[in-house]
Amino acid sequence: DGGITQSPKYLFRKEGQNVTLSCEQNLNHDAMYWYRQDPGQGLRLIYYSQIVNDFQKGDIAEGYSVSREKKESFPLTVTSAQKNPTAFYLCASLSGSTTYGYTFGSGTRLTVV
Amino acid sequence: GENVEQHPSTLSVQEGDSAVIKCTYSDSASNYFPWYKQELGKGPQLIIDIRSNVGEKKDQRIAVTLNKTAKHFSLHITETQPEDSAVYFCAASRAGGSYIPTFGRGTSLIVHP
Repeated sequence: DGGITQSPKYLFRKEGQNVTLSCEQNLNHDAMYWYRQDPGQGLRLIYYSQIVNDFQKGDIAEGYSVSREKKESFPLTVTSAQKNPTAFYLCASLSGSTTYGYTFGSGTRLTVV
Repeated sequence: GENVEQHPSTLSVQEGDSAVIKCTYSDSASNYFPWYKQELGKGPQLIIDIRSNVGEKKDQRIAVTLNKTAKHFSLHITETQPEDSAVYFCAASRAGGSYIPTFGRGTSLIVHP
């Protein structure tokens, strides 16, 4: 079945460490997105990419980095510059041709220890 | 930019009752309005959407209505069941182009058996 796979489901980061969250899709979607979800704050856009080798900052890009070397993959790195990284991270993709609704992954919960 | 307000933030109903969640938007150019359901610990899932050329859309027990003049749209769930308990998000965007939706802050629906 087609879909988006996020891994790991749970991730623990020590102070000062960089960590990378994986997002892979087999839907052949061109556009991919990263959102951060905190309780009571809804979904906030971190980065998005509409084509391979191109990506744009969202509303809260500081302390994060991404790459889009393949259409299927859009990994997110949470750097040590992100001072409050504990959150639920969601990856999404979009067809844009058959529908304008997102397909979301199941999320990664990142906790700083 | 677009601004989406969603109400209520929490909604508690008895099984079998109807539930209504309302959203307002500010950008008259927005023309695509999806609704997502997020169960605990999972990613959001698109449950229904509506485009600005339609006033109402139904899918079994759920329906969405749109009032373009007043710039508001609503999700209606009839004959609620405990499995309807989740957080529901509305969004507004311009279909096509860079397509970055603006999300509401979410409504936590609790259906008591």
